[in-house]
Amino acid sequence: QVKLQQSGAELVKPGASVKLSCKTSGYTFSTSYMSWFKQIPGQSIEWIGMIYAGDGGTGYNQKFKGKATLTVDTSSSTAYMDLSSLTTEDSAVYFCATPGSWGQGVMVTVSS
Amino acid sequence: DVVLTQTPSTLSATIGQSVSISCRSSQSLLDSAGNTYLYWYLQRPGQSPQLLIYLVSNLGSGVPNRFSGSGSGTDFTLKISGVEAEDLGVYYCMQATHAPYTFGAGTKLELK
Repeated sequence: QVKLQQSGAELVKPGASVKLSCKTSGYTFSTSYMSWFKQIPGQSIEWIGMIYAGDGGTGYNQKFKGKATLTVDTSSSTAYMDLSSLTTEDSAVYFCATPGSWGQGVMVTVSS
Repeated sequence: DVVLTQTPSTLSATIGQSVSISCRSSQSLLDSAGNTYLYWYLQRPGQSPQLLIYLVSNLGSGVPNRFSGSGSGTDFTLKISGVEAEDLGVYYCMQATHAPYTFGAGTKLELK
């Protein structure tokens, strides 16, 4: 079945960057789309953007342009999201998701 | 951005009761090709969202048929015909017709 396994929790300092991974299995990664989402605990969900693994084409929520960069490695069926210039407002749970399946989420905490 | 307004924000139900959640959009979700990209998700405590309904009324894989979706244009409804204990959590509608994709604020289903 479809599985999306995300990397572990991150504790990072303000101003730093972090790269999150989402390793997939159970479907044809190279011809699929992957979206990323942000959820502050207790709040609703925001769409960050999506990437098409076939050619690396991306689409971003304007709010996250310059903050998030999406990439893929088709050889390992893994999607990545780089978050840069982190502030406390970036502390949240981040999910990767295909149309029907979501990763387990990864908590990113930005603190000095 | 498209605003999705979910009502009610909290829903108290007994086991076996039928309930409905409304999701109203600030603009039509019907695209030029005749598709309506409206989805429903359930997020149980501490878990990632689970797809329940896609394209307004199509049941997600493995989703019990007590869940049903309906609506068109700007007004959509999720119905649960006979709540079970495992249905407790927060329900979100999401639209993917207009970028950026957006979510409703959520409806928390709890036991009465």
